Amino acid sequence: EIVLRQSPGTLSLSPGERATLSCWASQSVSSNYLAWYQQKPGQVPRLLIYGASSRATGIPDRFSGSGSGADFTLTISRLEPEDFAVYYCQHYDGSARVTFGPGTKVDIK
Amino acid sequence: EVQLVESGGGLVQPGRSLRLSCVGSGFMFGDSAINWVRQAPGKGLEWVTFIRETFAGGTAEYSASVKGRFVLTRYDSKSTVYLQMNNLKSEDSAIYYCIRWSGTLKAYDFWGQGTLVTVSS
Repeated sequence: EIVLRQSPGTLSLSPGERATLSCWASQSVSSNYLAWYQQKPGQVPRLLIYGASSRATGIPDRFSGSGSGADFTLTISRLEPEDFAVYYCQHYDGSARVTFGPGTKVDIK
Repeated sequence: EVQLVESGGGLVQPGRSLRLSCVGSGFMFGDSAINWVRQAPGKGLEWVTFIRETFAGGTAEYSASVKGRFVLTRYDSKSTVYLQMNNLKSEDSAIYYCIRWSGTLKAYDFWGQGTLVTVSS
């Protein structure tokens, strides 16, 4: 069973700064099935990145995803006030199991 | 416009059952895999179950935490999936989200607003 871990648990930054969020899997996974979601307080999660590096419809280009194998990264180039939220990575094994990471909270320093 | 609307949540005693519904609209329901993901208060996201597209057999898979207690079925004529939850435990208390899996993106592209299930005596 694949386990996803995320670091850091909390990232305290100021608007305009760069955010780098990590997600790593307990074993090598297909990047085709690696996605990132953003969840703001009281809201439903929304898809940011799919296929490890492709931005979903309407997602600003300050969000980028990268990585392969077992290590993946979500980068927010310059934080906007609306970007302070919790970010989850997620993987589907292609057959029968979906896994989420525990999340990284990006909050205002 | 793609929409997913959940219903059926509420307060239920431990050991009892509850059935959640999710109605989809704005897309070819039978051609979509539908998932349920839950989120306990103040906690992260936990995948619960999914049901495959009808053309893929319409079979369901379950997380270890609910296997044997939850059953997911689909009725494409009603654009509805039902999540039958039996022998509920306090740890099943959460917001339950119905979500469409995009076979193209290989990710969750549309989420319902969720329905709250509270298991408590």
